[in-house]
Formats: sequence, C-alpha cells, structure tokens
Amino acid sequence: EIVLTQSPDFQSVTPKEKVTITCRASQSIGSNLHWYQQKPDQSPKLVIKYASLSISGVPSRFSGSGSGTDFTLTINSLEAEDAAVYYCHQSSSLPHTFGQGTKLEI
Amino acid sequence: EVQLVQSGAEVKKPGESLKISCKGSGYTFTNHWIGWVRQMPGKGLEWMAIIYPGDSDTRYNPSFEGQVTISVDKSISVAYLQWSSLKASDTAMFYCARRGADSANYYDYWGQGTLVTVSS
Repeated sequence: EIVLTQSPDFQSVTPKEKVTITCRASQSIGSNLHWYQQKPDQSPKLVIKYASLSISGVPSRFSGSGSGTDFTLTINSLEAEDAAVYYCHQSSSLPHTFGQGTKLEI
Repeated sequence: EVQLVQSGAEVKKPGESLKISCKGSGYTFTNHWIGWVRQMPGKGLEWMAIIYPGDSDTRYNPSFEGQVTISVDKSISVAYLQWSSLKASDTAMFYCARRGADSANYYDYWGQGTLVTVSS
C-alpha cells in the first residue's frame, strides 16, 4: 500500500497569504495524485487532478505541481472561504490511499 | 446535472445488518466506477472499495475486505454498501464518489455522505 504523508498537519494563515501544502508518496506514483478540499460538514471536493491539472469551477488561485513522489498544492492570495482540510489522493495503484489531511485555519 | 444522492443517517446496534445506498443521476451510471470512502469521527478519508456498475467488477481495500460488501443495481442506478454484523467501530460517515470518465482515476462527484452510528 502506498502511504501519502502530508505536511504540515495544521497551518494558521491570514487572507491574501500564499499557502503551500506538500504530499510525499512512499513510492513513485507518476502524476496520479489528486487534491481535494473538505469544508466542515461538507463532502470532499476535487480541486486539482493529475498533480497539476485545473478543475472547471475551481478558482485559479489553486495550483498543483510535482511528479514521482513529491507534490505540492499551492493556494495564492488565500481567501477566507479556503478554510478547510485538504487531502491528497493517489490512484496509481490499489488500494487507493489518501494523505492524513492538512487543516488550514484562517 | 450530475448528482449522487445517498440514503439517510442510520442508528444501529452492534450485530445488526445494514445496507446504505447511493443513487446516481444526470449521467450514464454504467460508465463510471463508484467508490466508497470512510471518514471516522474527526479523522481523515479512507478508501474502502470501488465497483464498476457496467459489469459489477469490484475491488476492495484489503483493510475492508470481508468486513463490507459493495454492489449495484444498474437498473435503478444505485450502488450499495452493506454490513452483515455491525460493530461500534463502524461508526463513521460514508461517502460514495464517482470516478471520472474513461480511465480517469480521480473522484469528480461525491455524495452528501451517510452517517452510520453503531451503539448499544
């Protein structure tokens, strides 16, 4: 099973700040890494697919990068509505796995 | 509009059986895998299993195999997650999610979740 380790676990941030969340895989997964946002009492929402591809309807301040084992989710000019837990997810091999989550507090 | 609508919250006793559902609409149900994800109280997401409604091809996370069973009724566009004997440790929110088109491996639409509470 591929283990995904996110850092940090928690980050307190202020509006307009730039935020970077990292996700490291225990083995190479190519670009089969996706990012989800989960706000309190809501279902997860896809924000980045295949490491760096944007999702229709997701603000352009969200971007992703990386391949192999190291990945990054960047949120430029953070807004209050971005307060959430962010999860990375690998689909390179079964069982699919998720990172432990990174909570952004604004 | 693509929607996944899950059945309502359940409160069960240990040892009881349960089947929760996830109804897809707004797309061709048989063309997209449906996955199930567990979220225990205050915890992260755990991938449980996935099923292809077109032919009921099923894959389980070894951590959940034998503990749950997933199935579909493609005639009514519904996927199911069931337990034969619940334990208190099954208390969690359960999400169904649709895998993207073709060979896409991300989950592009999610149900609203079904909260399962198991308590004596």
